[in-house]
Amino acid sequence: QSALTQPASVSGSPGQSITISCTGTSSDVGGYKYVSWYQQHPGKAPKLMIYNVSNRPSGVSNRFSGSKSGNTASLTISGLQAEDEADYYCSSYTSSSTWVFGGGTKLTVL
Amino acid sequence: EVQLVESGGGLVKPGGSLRLSCAASGFTFSNAWMSWVRQAPGKGLEWVGRIKSKTDGGTTDYAAPVKGRFTISRDDSKNTLYLQMNSLKTEDTAVYYCTTHRSGSFDYWGQGTLVTVSS
Repeated sequence: QSALTQPASVSGSPGQSITISCTGTSSDVGGYKYVSWYQQHPGKAPKLMIYNVSNRPSGVSNRFSGSKSGNTASLTISGLQAEDEADYYCSSYTSSSTWVFGGGTKLTVL
Repeated sequence: EVQLVESGGGLVKPGGSLRLSCAASGFTFSNAWMSWVRQAPGKGLEWVGRIKSKTDGGTTDYAAPVKGRFTISRDDSKNTLYLQMNSLKTEDTAVYYCTTHRSGSFDYWGQGTLVTVSS
């Protein structure tokens, strides 16, 4: 099972919006609602930000939103803040009853 | 408050074995599906495997790179998850995270334990 495809890096200025894409196939992202997104700051454990494509866990800012179209899922962060600078990973359930992560995207807040 | 505390990491030679533990608290462990996720130094996240709750069959699934070498088990009486790792390879070097597994996502994570496979 190949890793999902994410851009290696994205950047934006405070207050702006950015979108991170996560491309898979019909056997993973395109075939299931179990797409999730994780934020990881350096030296820390990942944190769940979005589950089931577009749902936010309690306590996660509504500046974070998720969507999916076909085989590509997206994470949008609006009103960028300095604390959003981190690595972001997508994940999806697969037709092999396994889970696969994206390669990760480094977000830089300029 | 959900807490997951991994232990058992360390340095092991190629071909060796190691068992990781994850002590869980703050939720009903016996009802939870649990996963292990690892992260090689400077690299991305990689799912290792998952175990269902006993009420859901207690079955396991594994990623291809570890299938046949790693075994996930659980002791619900001790609220503890295990990862038995055999025939370790240098490419298994990583921080190993224990996670709860709910609604198809990994919702709570431990702090991780480092496994280094080197001669």
